[in-house]
Amino acid sequence: GDSVTQMEGPVTLSEEAFLTINCTYTATGYPSLFWYVQYPGEGLQLLLKATKADDKGSNKGFEATYRKETTSFHLEKGSVQVSDSAVYFCALKNTNAGKSTFGDGTTLTVKP
Amino acid sequence: EAQVTQNPRYLITVTGKKLTVTCSQNMNHEYMSWYRQDPGLGLRQIYYSMNVEVTDKGDVPEGYKVSRKEKRNFPLILESPSPNQTSLYFCASSLSPGAGAPGELFFGEGSRLTVL
Repeated sequence: GDSVTQMEGPVTLSEEAFLTINCTYTATGYPSLFWYVQYPGEGLQLLLKATKADDKGSNKGFEATYRKETTSFHLEKGSVQVSDSAVYFCALKNTNAGKSTFGDGTTLTVKP
Repeated sequence: EAQVTQNPRYLITVTGKKLTVTCSQNMNHEYMSWYRQDPGLGLRQIYYSMNVEVTDKGDVPEGYKVSRKEKRNFPLILESPSPNQTSLYFCASSLSPGAGAPGELFFGEGSRLTVL
């Protein structure tokens, strides 16, 4: 079945540091890929998405590129802020499938 | 405002006392789903519904029931709660997977359930 493997956390960075959170996946067919973010005490919300190979999703300074050859969708940000502290989930969904598959989540803490 | 609304947000109950967590969405989404979030286990799918009167088991359906009588509502029922169902629960919705949409999920704010 489908699976998503995320870089284990927690991750602690200083403000303005570069962020990478690794995500690799196993899936049949051509899934859509997502990064969701969960701020403390809130539900998950979509951060960015990509629907086909070589697509780059971007939002709020975060980027991720759909790499079919390496089955990866790594999340990056050039300069993190304290307000980026949250849990980040990588996820995939196959077209017409009823299930979304999530990674275990990576907790990011950014210190001033 | 487009949203998914869950109630209650917090609940403490005792073993065996039936409870229902309601979920409602105002986006006319066909697809709805329930997840539980536990430390170290990430997000696990309990049940999902592709449309009215159509429900299917997710990865961890044991001890739960759902119904989908109306498009906007998808309640989660715990007939006889047990302590291992203590968790943070999320309801989510999206456009139909077959509608060409990429399946982006919209989540509620979560319901924290404690079973004593």
